[in-house]
Amino acid sequence: GQNIDQPTEMTATEGAIVQINCTYQTSGFNGLFWYQQHAGEAPTFLSYNVLDGLEEKGRFSSFLSRSKGYSYLLLKELQMKDSASYLCAVRPPNTGFQKLVFGTGTRLLVSP
Amino acid sequence: NAGVTQTPKFQVLKTGQSMTLQCAQDMNHEYMSWYRQDPGMGLRLIHYSVGAGITDQGEVPNGYNVSRSTTEDFPLRLLSAAPSQTSVYFCASSMDGNQPQHFGDGTRLSIL
Repeated sequence: GQNIDQPTEMTATEGAIVQINCTYQTSGFNGLFWYQQHAGEAPTFLSYNVLDGLEEKGRFSSFLSRSKGYSYLLLKELQMKDSASYLCAVRPPNTGFQKLVFGTGTRLLVSP
Repeated sequence: NAGVTQTPKFQVLKTGQSMTLQCAQDMNHEYMSWYRQDPGMGLRLIHYSVGAGITDQGEVPNGYNVSRSTTEDFPLRLLSAAPSQTSVYFCASSMDGNQPQHFGDGTRLSIL
């Protein structure tokens, strides 16, 4: 099996920078996804990392280290609308990389 | 494009009743999945399909059946509803395992 760990909740202030970590234990790897989910809504895709390093997409960046089993999502210039849950997900090798397994998510609260 | 369409949006059932949650996508995606989301548990995979005629079990398949007779449709059937199946159900689709999943708006199911 595989374990995916994320902090349960984080708080930050509008305009600040926040880093949401995700660690996973799996014997192999085939990419890591980040999704955003506002309360009462469906998850929406943010980023996908398959190689080590940083992927930047506007105010959001995602980093991956496969050797350390570690990823983070970096949110810059926080806005109130960034208050949401952030989910990381991996495709473990023991399923032929066909199943997407999610962490429990990190709830981010952005205050004025 | 409509994307991923789930029906119904809300449903209340009595214990022991059966019903089918509908999911349709118009993006010609091969991969389709059903998840349930419970507080503090994150998204858990129920069943998934990598193409028409092919289905497989996820993490929590008991009590649910699926079929995939066409590329577009992936219905989820509850055989005999139990209160433990009260949850929010999401259907998702993607072109393949390396592409992000697109989620439907969810079905909020309560079983009394």
